[in-house]
Amino acid sequence: DIVMTQTPLSLSVTPGQPASISCKSSQSLLHSDGKTYLYWYLQKPGQSPQLLIYEVSSRFSGVPDRFSGSGSGTDFTLKISRVEAEDVGVYYCMQGIHLWTFGQGTKVEIK
Amino acid sequence: QVQLVQSGAEVKKPGASVKVSCKASGYTFTSYGISWVRQAPGQGLEWMGWISTYNGNTNYAQKLQGRVTMTTDTSTSTAYMELRSLRSDDTAVYYCVLESYDYWGQGTLVTVSS
Repeated sequence: DIVMTQTPLSLSVTPGQPASISCKSSQSLLHSDGKTYLYWYLQKPGQSPQLLIYEVSSRFSGVPDRFSGSGSGTDFTLKISRVEAEDVGVYYCMQGIHLWTFGQGTKVEIK
Repeated sequence: QVQLVQSGAEVKKPGASVKVSCKASGYTFTSYGISWVRQAPGQGLEWMGWISTYNGNTNYAQKLQGRVTMTTDTSTSTAYMELRSLRSDDTAVYYCVLESYDYWGQGTLVTVSS
């Protein structure tokens, strides 16, 4: 099974400041079809997870451009350029190249 | 718009079974498979398995093999997840998710308690 490891597990950020979350997979997520099956979700308190980023760096419809994803192979990063109060919640990375596996989650709170 | 609407909360005793439904709308049901993901209280997300809505093929997480069955009813655009021999550590919110990764149901809380 592919293991997804996120760091840090928690983050306290001042509004307007940047934030960054790392996600490492135990195997490459690059498929022979050329796509890299790495996704980022935000689960706000009491809600279902919502898709932010698909295939490493593509923002899902309606996601603000302060969210960006990067990386390749086994190392990936989610960046929030300027954190807002509405960005609080738990962020998960997920791989979809072989079944699905989620990272442990990173809890983001506002200072 | 795409919607996945799940059945309501359930309370079950250890050893019992539960069947959660997920009714899809807003797209052609057989175009996308459905995965099921669960989340124990205060914990992370755990993938349970996937079903093809086109031909009924399934792929289950190894730890749930033998206890979980996923099915679909194409006439009503509904997917089902049945979990048997329930234990207390099966207490969780269960989500259905479109295989395109982008749409999730609202979640169904299943509580297993004697």
